[in-house]
Amino acid sequence: GIQVEQSPPDLILQEGANSTLRCNFSDSVNNLQWFHQNPWGQLINLFYIPSGTKQNGRLSATTVATERYSLLYISSSQTTDSGVYFCAVLLTGGGNKLTFGTGTQLKVEL
Amino acid sequence: KAGVTQTPRYLIKTRGQQVTLSCSPISGHRSVSWYQQTPGQGLQFLFEYFSETQRNKGNFPGRFSGRQFSNSRSEMNVSTLELGDSALYLCASSLGDRDLLIHNSPLHFGNGTRLTVT
Repeated sequence: GIQVEQSPPDLILQEGANSTLRCNFSDSVNNLQWFHQNPWGQLINLFYIPSGTKQNGRLSATTVATERYSLLYISSSQTTDSGVYFCAVLLTGGGNKLTFGTGTQLKVEL
Repeated sequence: KAGVTQTPRYLIKTRGQQVTLSCSPISGHRSVSWYQQTPGQGLQFLFEYFSETQRNKGNFPGRFSGRQFSNSRSEMNVSTLELGDSALYLCASSLGDRDLLIHNSPLHFGNGTRLTVT
């Protein structure tokens, strides 16, 4: 099956710093989503981004489908950004079966 | 618009028992899928329902089953619980579409049900 790898696995930032999270996938995908899982376990949909670039406040994401990777940028990080960030992909013909990466655990410190 | 609602939030069961978890999707969403999250295996797909039909299934034993009702609400059932079934169970809904070759709407997740098997 498709492999989804995320890097780095862990990241510690000082508040105000910027960061880039990467997601590589091994096969062509129909779509890609980025999620933030908060300490209570809720998965929050950040971006739905099969290709191109999107921005939402301090967050932005870029997917280059032809090269099989996606990037999530966090600027001016805040302590509330802490948690685990997952990318998840949908295969063509796979319906709504998301394959998740292993996640990046982010901790933002004061 | 209300989000995806899962009940109960927490559940403690004993080995050998069975459990039923419930998920109410966002109004208008017809696709409901279920995922299991454990520290060792991460987030894994269980199954997906669309218009009361299961159209996708992950690699889980037959003890895991589900169904969807005509109002798109879904339930999943785990029989003969094992210690390894302890996990966070997440439900997601999307508009979905009948043609599996096309996907054009994001998935939205509920808060999950945390199941502990003792």
